[in-house]
Amino acid sequence: NAGVMQNPRHLVRRRGQEARLRCSPMKGHSHVYWYRQLPEEGLKFMVYLQKENIIDESGMPKERFSAEFPKEGPSILRIQQVVRGDSAAYFCASSPGGINEKLFFGSGTQLSVL
Amino acid sequence: AQSVTQLGSHVSVSEGALVLLRCNYSSSVPPYLFWYVQYPNQGLQLLLKYTTGATLVKGINGFEAEFKKSETSFHLTKPSAHMSDAAEYFCAVSDPFRAGTASKLTFGTGTRLQVTL
Repeated sequence: NAGVMQNPRHLVRRRGQEARLRCSPMKGHSHVYWYRQLPEEGLKFMVYLQKENIIDESGMPKERFSAEFPKEGPSILRIQQVVRGDSAAYFCASSPGGINEKLFFGSGTQLSVL
Repeated sequence: AQSVTQLGSHVSVSEGALVLLRCNYSSSVPPYLFWYVQYPNQGLQLLLKYTTGATLVKGINGFEAEFKKSETSFHLTKPSAHMSDAAEYFCAVSDPFRAGTASKLTFGTGTRLQVTL
């Protein structure tokens, strides 16, 4: 049973470009969480999705950021018109759902904006 | 709102010495508490968690943590440090009483553990 898979591991973008980060949850998991880790900081919650639904996006910046988790395929975190301040490690986690369920984290995508 | 404070961004211990990483939390409801470890270039791995019941929680790799409600603390300890314990450690809290948020974690800023010979 493969773990949470994120790709790419490293992504370099120039200011103004779009970044697409992918997350394939563990088999059987229908809940996905995205977190962002800025340098020297802890992880900050961004968004919580279930299949085809955004449950909680209270941590998402109001502009340029969007997330989806379609019925088929991976969850996508999309950042439009990236700026240098978007440079961070973006982690995805999945769980099978239900209260008290354990989160399983991917290895993250390191986004660097030049 | 919940928050987590980890005292000491860097902790250095000798191999074989006691490891103590401090975590204090703020929560308006009885929280769930977690410790995660992050090795370089890897995702977070769960060390242990407290939900209900016994306040002393044992985790993997010889780590344990004690929930002290009166002190709003959840410090992580290990009796004898190994070189392989060198990593970043994160304390986290969640609110189990709000629908859909049991797995939504609020993290501290992390403590980097260095183990020396």
